[in-house]
Amino acid sequence: SAVISQKPSRDICQRGTSLTIQCQVDSQVTMMFWYRQQPGQSLTLIATANQGSEATYESGFVIDKFPISRPNLTFSTLTVSNMSPEDSSIYLCSDIDLAGDSYEQYFGPGTRLTVT
Amino acid sequence: DAKTTQPPSMDCAEGRAANLPCNHSTISGNEYVYWYRQIHSQGPQYIIHGLKNNETNEMASLIITEDRKSSTLILPHATLRDTAVYYCIVISGGSNYKLTFGKGTLLTVNP
Repeated sequence: SAVISQKPSRDICQRGTSLTIQCQVDSQVTMMFWYRQQPGQSLTLIATANQGSEATYESGFVIDKFPISRPNLTFSTLTVSNMSPEDSSIYLCSDIDLAGDSYEQYFGPGTRLTVT
Repeated sequence: DAKTTQPPSMDCAEGRAANLPCNHSTISGNEYVYWYRQIHSQGPQYIIHGLKNNETNEMASLIITEDRKSSTLILPHATLRDTAVYYCIVISGGSNYKLTFGKGTLLTVNP
């Protein structure tokens, strides 16, 4: 299974600013995803990070607010732009192992964001 | 993808088997049943998956009913470290690998 690391692990930010979260995988993977977990809630998929092309966003999420980059097969970034207190969440990246017929996803430890 | 229904919470005594049910009555023939868990303040962790046969690995067993409308995740000897939210997720093969997380079951293992 891939090992995924995220930076930063946590941050406290002022409203109106932006934060870029990095996700590093220790092996080349086909697909990477970004999720958000609001306080007390389950995980919600933000987007699929596509290598070399624009990310594919889920309903309710837009590129202007959550720009995503994926310059290669092992690295992706998620930016939370023009933050408000409602953006306070845990942000998690994941990748998928497409070996065989299984679609196991592996998750990073998450980035805990607090917006004041 | 098929919708799943899980009890919001369950308790289990340490050392006993924990049996977590999941209903997925609208599952279709090419959809898999996956189980993940999320220990507090950590990212979700893959546990096990199955299509129609029962499966076992070093973490758990997965029992899928013959009609595939429900399944049970079994932790044979629960420990305090198994306290977590357990998610049952149904996904199809092909190119749709997205995970849709419901509310899951909070399993509390008591000493």
